[in-house]
Amino acid sequence: DTAVSQTPKYLVTQMGNDKSIKCEQNLGHDTMYWYKQDSKKFLKIMFSYNNKELIINETVPNRFSPKSPDKAHLNLHINSLELGDSAVYFCASSPLTGKGETQYFGPGTRLLVL
Amino acid sequence: KNQVEQSPQSLIILEGKNCTLQCNYTVSPFSNLRWYKQDTGRGPVSLTIMTFSENTKSNGRYTATLDADTKQSSLHITASQLSDSASYICVVSAFSNDYKLSFGAGTTVTVRA
Repeated sequence: DTAVSQTPKYLVTQMGNDKSIKCEQNLGHDTMYWYKQDSKKFLKIMFSYNNKELIINETVPNRFSPKSPDKAHLNLHINSLELGDSAVYFCASSPLTGKGETQYFGPGTRLLVL
Repeated sequence: KNQVEQSPQSLIILEGKNCTLQCNYTVSPFSNLRWYKQDTGRGPVSLTIMTFSENTKSNGRYTATLDADTKQSSLHITASQLSDSASYICVVSAFSNDYKLSFGAGTTVTVRA
């Protein structure tokens, strides 16, 4: 009965490769997010989708492309991976947006680019 | 400059002792403030949420305070346990038509036996 799940949990890959991270939530929430947490533990929002529509795109390189096939899923595809992409990526969801609702986070995907 | 500043960056305390974490923010107009706990290797989990009119809120051994005038919040951990070892992140939400959350860098707490 996992609320927000991400796959894979760990991802080790070579520079230049393309990879995808998947996220699913079974909370019935309308809004989903992708965050990047760097080595200094600082969480930075990357994207937000509300009912499959992109509502936030925070100056993320266009190598990163989110896709939301339905409101329960938000996947993240990364092209031409770079060393600086190594981080932990968290998916989250919330009931609404714009009101500072509690966000429910997934367990994270630890990406290491070699 | 980040709109949410947390201090200290890290601290170590002995099991059973109390500690207080600080969060100062400049986010405006203010909507609410949350404290999240992030265990190592896990995603953040919400501990408390406080709106403008609330001064204090408790969740078990965790007590958050808010002074909206000085734009300061604190998280007090009472009788710390080993399981309290984690990062504690302050998140402030602004009143706006657009989504806007500002995250602090977190305080890493280590509880030692």
